[in-house]
Amino acid sequence: DADVTQTPRNRITKTGKRIMLECSQTKGHDRMYWYRQDPGLGLRLIYYSFDVKDINKGEISDGYSVSRQAQAKFSLSLESAIPNQTALYFCATSDYSGVYNEQFFGPGTRLTVL
Amino acid sequence: RKEVEQDPGPFNVPEGATVAFNCTYSNSASQSFFWYRQDCRKEPKLLMSVYSSGNEDGRFTAQLNRASQYISLLIRDSKLSDSATYLCVVTSYNQGGKLIFGQGTELSVKP
Repeated sequence: DADVTQTPRNRITKTGKRIMLECSQTKGHDRMYWYRQDPGLGLRLIYYSFDVKDINKGEISDGYSVSRQAQAKFSLSLESAIPNQTALYFCATSDYSGVYNEQFFGPGTRLTVL
Repeated sequence: RKEVEQDPGPFNVPEGATVAFNCTYSNSASQSFFWYRQDCRKEPKLLMSVYSSGNEDGRFTAQLNRASQYISLLIRDSKLSDSATYLCVVTSYNQGGKLIFGQGTELSVKP
Protein backbone atom coordinates (compact mmCIF):
# COMPACT_ATOMS: atom_id res chain seq x y z
CA ASP A 1 0.00 0.00 0.00
CA ALA A 2 1.12 3.54 -0.74
CA ASP A 3 2.52 5.53 2.19
CA VAL A 4 0.91 8.80 1.07
CA THR A 5 -2.51 8.68 -0.54
CA GLN A 6 -4.64 11.40 -2.07
CA THR A 7 -8.32 11.47 -2.92
CA PRO A 8 -9.77 12.07 -5.38
CA ARG A 9 -7.17 11.39 -8.07
CA ASN A 10 -9.09 13.38 -10.67
CA ARG A 11 -11.83 15.94 -10.29
CA ILE A 12 -13.72 18.17 -12.68
CA THR A 13 -15.82 20.89 -11.12
CA LYS A 14 -17.46 24.18 -11.96
CA THR A 15 -16.57 27.72 -10.98
CA GLY A 16 -17.90 28.63 -7.55
CA LYS A 17 -18.09 25.10 -6.18
CA ARG A 18 -16.45 24.10 -2.90
CA ILE A 19 -13.88 21.35 -3.30
CA MET A 20 -11.94 19.34 -0.73
CA LEU A 21 -8.83 17.37 -1.51
CA GLU A 22 -7.74 14.84 1.08
CA CYS A 23 -4.36 13.45 2.00
CA SER A 24 -3.53 10.57 4.32
CA GLN A 25 -0.16 9.12 5.29
CA THR A 26 1.04 6.03 7.10
CA LYS A 27 4.66 7.13 7.42
CA GLY A 28 4.19 8.56 10.91
CA HIS A 29 5.60 11.92 9.83
CA ASP A 30 4.70 15.11 11.67
CA ARG A 31 5.14 17.45 8.71
CA MET A 32 2.69 17.65 5.85
CA TYR A 33 2.51 19.94 2.81
CA TRP A 34 0.24 20.90 -0.05
CA TYR A 35 1.69 21.98 -3.40
CA ARG A 36 0.28 22.83 -6.77
CA GLN A 37 2.09 22.25 -10.02
CA ASP A 38 1.49 24.20 -13.20
CA PRO A 39 3.35 23.72 -16.49
CA GLY A 40 6.56 25.76 -16.55
CA LEU A 41 6.20 26.92 -12.95
CA GLY A 42 7.36 23.93 -10.95
CA LEU A 43 5.83 23.09 -7.58
CA ARG A 44 4.60 25.93 -5.43
CA LEU A 45 3.81 25.57 -1.74
CA ILE A 46 0.22 26.35 -0.72
CA TYR A 47 0.16 25.44 2.99
CA TYR A 48 2.24 23.40 5.35
CA SER A 49 1.83 21.94 8.81
CA PHE A 50 4.63 20.93 11.18
CA ASP A 51 2.22 19.26 13.58
CA VAL A 52 -1.51 19.11 14.28
CA LYS A 53 -1.56 22.52 15.97
CA ASP A 54 0.87 24.27 13.63
CA ILE A 55 -0.41 25.38 10.22
CA ASN A 56 1.33 27.92 8.04
CA LYS A 57 0.68 29.70 4.78
CA GLY A 58 2.96 28.99 1.90
CA GLU A 59 3.78 30.94 -1.20
CA ILE A 60 0.29 30.90 -2.75
CA SER A 61 -2.34 30.42 -0.04
CA ASP A 62 -4.98 32.87 -1.31
CA GLY A 63 -8.18 31.05 -2.25
CA TYR A 64 -7.24 27.95 -0.26
CA SER A 65 -7.70 26.71 3.29
CA VAL A 66 -6.50 23.61 5.11
CA SER A 67 -7.39 21.39 8.01
CA ARG A 68 -5.05 19.05 9.90
CA GLN A 69 -7.51 16.61 11.38
CA ALA A 70 -4.90 14.29 12.79
CA GLN A 71 -1.20 13.58 12.42
CA ALA A 72 -2.00 11.38 9.46
CA LYS A 73 -4.53 13.59 7.67
CA PHE A 74 -4.24 16.98 5.97
CA SER A 75 -7.04 18.35 3.80
CA LEU A 76 -6.98 21.20 1.30
CA SER A 77 -10.16 23.14 0.51
CA LEU A 78 -11.04 25.48 -2.29
CA GLU A 79 -13.96 27.45 -0.90
CA SER A 80 -15.09 28.80 -4.25
CA ALA A 81 -13.17 27.25 -7.11
CA ILE A 82 -12.04 29.38 -10.05
CA PRO A 83 -10.57 28.29 -13.41
CA ASN A 84 -7.02 29.42 -12.59
CA GLN A 85 -6.98 26.86 -9.78
CA THR A 86 -6.90 24.18 -12.45
CA ALA A 87 -3.66 22.35 -11.68
CA LEU A 88 -2.03 19.18 -10.40
CA TYR A 89 -2.07 19.13 -6.60
CA PHE A 90 0.40 17.17 -4.51
CA CYS A 91 0.44 16.36 -0.84
CA ALA A 92 3.79 15.56 0.77
CA THR A 93 5.10 14.49 4.15
CA SER A 94 8.45 14.65 5.88
CA ASP A 95 10.10 13.80 9.12
CA TYR A 96 12.27 16.35 10.86
CA SER A 97 16.02 15.88 11.07
CA GLY A 98 17.66 19.28 11.16
CA VAL A 99 17.57 21.09 7.86
CA TYR A 100 17.49 18.01 5.69
CA ASN A 101 13.97 16.73 5.28
CA GLU A 102 13.32 14.51 2.28
CA GLN A 103 9.71 14.87 1.28
CA PHE A 104 7.55 11.94 0.19
CA PHE A 105 4.80 12.82 -2.22
CA GLY A 106 1.37 11.43 -2.83
CA PRO A 107 0.31 10.48 -6.38
CA GLY A 108 -1.38 13.82 -7.02
CA THR A 109 -4.89 15.08 -7.72
CA ARG A 110 -5.63 16.51 -11.13
CA LEU A 111 -8.23 19.26 -10.67
CA THR A 112 -10.03 20.97 -13.50
CA VAL A 113 -12.25 23.97 -12.82
CA LEU A 114 -14.57 24.85 -15.68
CA ARG B 1 13.79 36.60 -10.28
CA LYS B 2 12.86 33.05 -9.24
CA GLU B 3 14.60 31.68 -6.16
CA VAL B 4 15.66 28.55 -8.01
CA GLU B 5 16.21 28.57 -11.75
CA GLN B 6 17.05 25.72 -14.05
CA ASP B 7 18.15 25.27 -17.63
CA PRO B 8 15.15 25.43 -19.93
CA GLY B 9 14.39 22.12 -21.63
CA PRO B 10 13.69 19.84 -23.15
CA PHE B 11 16.98 18.02 -23.57
CA ASN B 12 16.79 15.38 -26.30
CA VAL B 13 19.77 13.02 -26.25
CA PRO B 14 20.62 9.59 -27.69
CA GLU B 15 21.15 6.57 -25.48
CA GLY B 16 24.65 6.48 -24.06
CA ALA B 17 25.10 10.25 -24.12
CA THR B 18 26.31 12.33 -21.20
CA VAL B 19 24.01 15.18 -20.23
CA ALA B 20 24.41 17.95 -17.67
CA PHE B 21 21.75 20.05 -15.98
CA ASN B 22 22.45 23.36 -14.30
CA CYS B 23 20.63 25.17 -11.54
CA THR B 24 21.19 28.49 -9.76
CA TYR B 25 19.68 29.72 -6.50
CA SER B 26 19.34 33.24 -5.19
CA ASN B 27 19.19 32.77 -1.40
CA SER B 28 22.75 32.78 -0.07
CA ALA B 29 21.44 31.32 3.22
CA SER B 30 20.40 28.13 1.44
CA GLN B 31 21.88 25.11 3.16
CA SER B 32 20.59 21.90 1.66
CA PHE B 33 20.30 20.95 -1.96
CA PHE B 34 18.65 18.10 -3.80
CA TRP B 35 17.74 16.73 -7.16
CA TYR B 36 14.28 15.19 -7.48
CA ARG B 37 13.05 13.20 -10.44
CA GLN B 38 9.49 13.40 -11.75
CA ASP B 39 8.13 11.01 -14.34
CA CYS B 40 5.32 12.22 -16.56
CA ARG B 41 2.15 12.87 -14.53
CA LYS B 42 3.66 11.19 -11.47
CA GLU B 43 4.84 12.46 -8.12
CA PRO B 44 8.39 13.80 -7.59
CA LYS B 45 10.85 11.45 -5.90
CA LEU B 46 14.21 12.19 -4.36
CA LEU B 47 17.05 11.30 -6.74
CA MET B 48 19.99 12.45 -4.66
CA SER B 49 21.17 15.03 -2.17
CA VAL B 50 23.95 17.40 -3.18
CA TYR B 51 26.91 17.80 -0.84
CA SER B 52 29.56 20.50 -0.81
CA SER B 53 32.27 18.04 -1.74
CA GLY B 54 30.26 16.69 -4.66
CA ASN B 55 28.79 13.23 -4.69
CA GLU B 56 28.22 10.37 -7.05
CA ASP B 57 25.61 7.65 -7.23
CA GLY B 58 26.26 5.25 -10.07
CA ARG B 59 25.89 7.16 -13.34
CA PHE B 60 24.76 10.33 -11.56
CA THR B 61 27.10 13.01 -10.22
CA ALA B 62 25.95 16.11 -8.34
CA GLN B 63 28.10 19.19 -7.73
CA LEU B 64 27.59 22.27 -5.60
CA ASN B 65 29.38 25.60 -5.89
CA ARG B 66 28.34 27.77 -2.95
CA ALA B 67 30.36 30.78 -4.06
CA SER B 68 28.53 30.89 -7.39
CA GLN B 69 25.26 29.56 -5.92
CA TYR B 70 25.20 26.90 -8.56
CA ILE B 71 24.23 23.22 -8.59
CA SER B 72 24.70 20.68 -11.34
CA LEU B 73 23.64 17.15 -12.18
CA LEU B 74 25.59 15.02 -14.62
CA ILE B 75 24.14 11.83 -16.08
CA ARG B 76 26.56 9.52 -17.85
CA ASP B 77 25.67 6.72 -20.27
CA SER B 78 22.03 7.82 -20.52
CA LYS B 79 19.35 5.14 -20.54
CA LEU B 80 15.87 5.29 -21.98
CA SER B 81 14.59 4.98 -18.41
CA ASP B 82 16.31 8.26 -17.49
CA SER B 83 13.66 10.14 -19.47
CA ALA B 84 11.90 12.34 -16.93
CA THR B 85 11.83 15.86 -15.55
CA TYR B 86 14.62 16.72 -13.11
CA LEU B 87 13.83 19.20 -10.36
CA CYS B 88 16.45 21.23 -8.55
CA VAL B 89 15.43 21.80 -4.92
CA VAL B 90 16.84 24.05 -2.23
CA THR B 91 16.04 24.56 1.44
CA SER B 92 17.32 26.83 4.21
CA TYR B 93 16.89 27.50 7.90
CA ASN B 94 15.55 31.01 7.30
CA GLN B 95 12.67 29.51 5.37
CA GLY B 96 11.76 27.00 8.04
CA GLY B 97 13.26 24.16 6.09
CA LYS B 98 10.69 24.43 3.32
CA LEU B 99 11.70 23.09 -0.06
CA ILE B 100 11.92 25.56 -2.91
CA PHE B 101 11.60 23.90 -6.31
CA GLY B 102 12.98 24.94 -9.66
CA GLN B 103 10.64 24.67 -12.61
CA GLY B 104 12.30 21.47 -13.79
CA THR B 105 14.25 20.39 -16.86
CA GLU B 106 12.78 17.73 -19.10
CA LEU B 107 15.06 15.01 -20.43
CA SER B 108 14.14 12.71 -23.29
CA VAL B 109 16.53 9.87 -24.10
CA LYS B 110 16.03 8.38 -27.54
CA PRO B 111 17.14 4.96 -28.89
